[in-house]
Amino acid sequence: GEDVEQSLFLSVREGDSSVINCTYTDSSSTYLYWYKQEPGAGLQLLTYIFSNMDMKQDQRLTVLLNKKDKHLSLRIADTQTGDSAIYFCAERRSGYSTLTFGKGTMLLVSP
Amino acid sequence: DTEVTQTPKHLVMGMTNKKSLKCEQHMGHRAMYWYKQKAKKPPELMFVYSYEKLSINESVPSRFSPECPNSSLLNLHLHALQPEDSALYLCASSQLGGRTGELFFGEGSRLTVL
Repeated sequence: GEDVEQSLFLSVREGDSSVINCTYTDSSSTYLYWYKQEPGAGLQLLTYIFSNMDMKQDQRLTVLLNKKDKHLSLRIADTQTGDSAIYFCAERRSGYSTLTFGKGTMLLVSP
Repeated sequence: DTEVTQTPKHLVMGMTNKKSLKCEQHMGHRAMYWYKQKAKKPPELMFVYSYEKLSINESVPSRFSPECPNSSLLNLHLHALQPEDSALYLCASSQLGGRTGELFFGEGSRLTVL
């Protein structure tokens, strides 16, 4: 199976909160990341969390990490139409410089 | 300067052409990466350079030839490509030995092979 799994699609209304979920399988992962990709663009780093943390908040973004269940989530408060994009979670394993990406979750925000 | 700059943004080439993709960063990062991304798929790692030396080659066909002339530049030379090589090619860079290890991506070069 995939190393990093995400649901493929999420649709929300403007102003609602969005929660994008991710599960990973490697318990040696040191850092976990969320990237955003708008159509035709590169990947933009949104935030990251160290594996010994369980929560990180950055303005409208909240990352929750459940290390026991290997579950990572990204909550976007007050979602805007400009948040419509594909969101990738990625893990960095201990001793590796490369990242393993999930398949990406397409977030569609409707007015 | 936190940018990774890629040129060209779009490239159309025939199967017999030789072309190059270029990537530049001035963040002092000593690791640079090439990824290939097909539509609606995650990026797939192709090559990693560490301290200007090729450290990872993910079994990429020899028609893709990377080059790292100095610590700021990364090239990807293309020759005799196939239509299935059409994709978005992303360059990224990161600190080596840095605590957080995040990758900074360029906007990509969209390649179409006819």
